[in-house]
Amino acid sequence: DVKVTQSSRYLVKRTGEKVFLECVQDMDHENMFWYRQDPGLGLRLIYFSYDVKMKEKGDIPEGYSVSREKKERFSLILESASTNQTSMYLCASSLGAAYNSPLHFGNGTRLTVT
Amino acid sequence: GENVEQHPSTLSVQEGDSAVIKCTYSDSASNYFPWYKQELGKRPQLIIDIRSNVGEKKDQRIAVTLNKTAKHFSLHITETQPEDSAVYFCAAFHNTGNQFYFGTGTSLTVIP
Repeated sequence: DVKVTQSSRYLVKRTGEKVFLECVQDMDHENMFWYRQDPGLGLRLIYFSYDVKMKEKGDIPEGYSVSREKKERFSLILESASTNQTSMYLCASSLGAAYNSPLHFGNGTRLTVT
Repeated sequence: GENVEQHPSTLSVQEGDSAVIKCTYSDSASNYFPWYKQELGKRPQLIIDIRSNVGEKKDQRIAVTLNKTAKHFSLHITETQPEDSAVYFCAAFHNTGNQFYFGTGTSLTVIP
């Protein structure tokens, strides 16, 4: 069974802090994704990566960056956290475009910025 | 890019009744359509999926239908049970963009 692990379940940070959200998958998946989930807005894609050191902007990349130095790890970085980045963040992975395979999600990180 | 619309946003049914959730997509380059169930406080989990070369797929009480011409797909849950209560998300995988596009979710409540 695919396991996607997010390092923190809950985080509380102050405005202006640099925040790192870490995600690790154990199934050698090519693609990794970061979404944020807000009530009424569904899941919105922040960034995704289809290979090591590759990244692509999603629908809402502003205020975020990502890092993928190893295939199994995909990090989301909030350079200077703001209160409007308070949200649930979900990491996911999938095999890749050639496989039409589903996303496997982590448990999520609920980030509160005060 | 792709645009996925999902309806209704909330749905209440009596236990034992059927529930139907509908999604539309805009781009014919989308070719894979998974459905996810998210229980309160938990991660979204895949419950069923369908590929663009198939019109219907069934797994016990859950079925998904796809109409490529009309660009819509639907989730059907029969004989609903209280444990079916959750938020359901549809998604479309855009082959060219190599990413998933999600609907905004349907909160299903099954009343015992």
